[in-house]
Amino acid sequence: GDSVTQMEGPVTLSEEAFLTINCTYTATGYPSLFWYVQYPGEGLQLLLKATKADDKGSNKGFEATYRKETTSFHLEKGSVQVSDSAVYFCALNEEGGGGNKLTFGTGTQLKVEL
Amino acid sequence: GAVVSQHPSWVICKSGTSVKIECRSLDFQATTMFWYRQFPKQSLMLMATSNEGSKATYEQGVEKDKFLINHASLTLSTLTVTSAHPEDSSFYICSARDAGGGSGELFFGEGSRLTVL
Repeated sequence: GDSVTQMEGPVTLSEEAFLTINCTYTATGYPSLFWYVQYPGEGLQLLLKATKADDKGSNKGFEATYRKETTSFHLEKGSVQVSDSAVYFCALNEEGGGGNKLTFGTGTQLKVEL
Repeated sequence: GAVVSQHPSWVICKSGTSVKIECRSLDFQATTMFWYRQFPKQSLMLMATSNEGSKATYEQGVEKDKFLINHASLTLSTLTVTSAHPEDSSFYICSARDAGGGSGELFFGEGSRLTVL
């Protein structure tokens, strides 16, 4: 079945550091890929998505490129801020972009310190 | 953006009792809502799809008599954990999609933490 593997956290960075959170997936078809973010005390929010190979999703300075050859969708940000501290979830959906049945990774907690 | 709210955000109950968790879409209508369960340091696992006015669709391995889902209106779905036991302790999260169209994005509640003693 489908699966998503994320790097374990927590990841602790200093403000303005470069961020990479690795995500790889296993799927039988051509899934859509997502990154969700959960800030403390809030629900998951869609951060960015990509629906086909080589697409790049971007939002709020975060980027991720759909790499079919390496089955990866790594999340990157050039300069993190304290306000980026949250839990980040990688997810995929094989039913198209509608995202009904999402398969999630375990989440990676990011802590950004001054 | 759209808001989905869950209540209660945390609950502690005794073994054998039943607990109801509510999921509300506050500023949009949702014909379909989804219930997830998350164990510590594990993924969110889809439990069931809640359909307004009809029976929920449960994922394989999820006991429908244990986890009762009711979607009585376009803005409310409830999950009742019946005869709860300590192994039911978990973080339960709901999500919903705006039936009015738009981006088709799923909006998530903040989650409800259940602890069964």
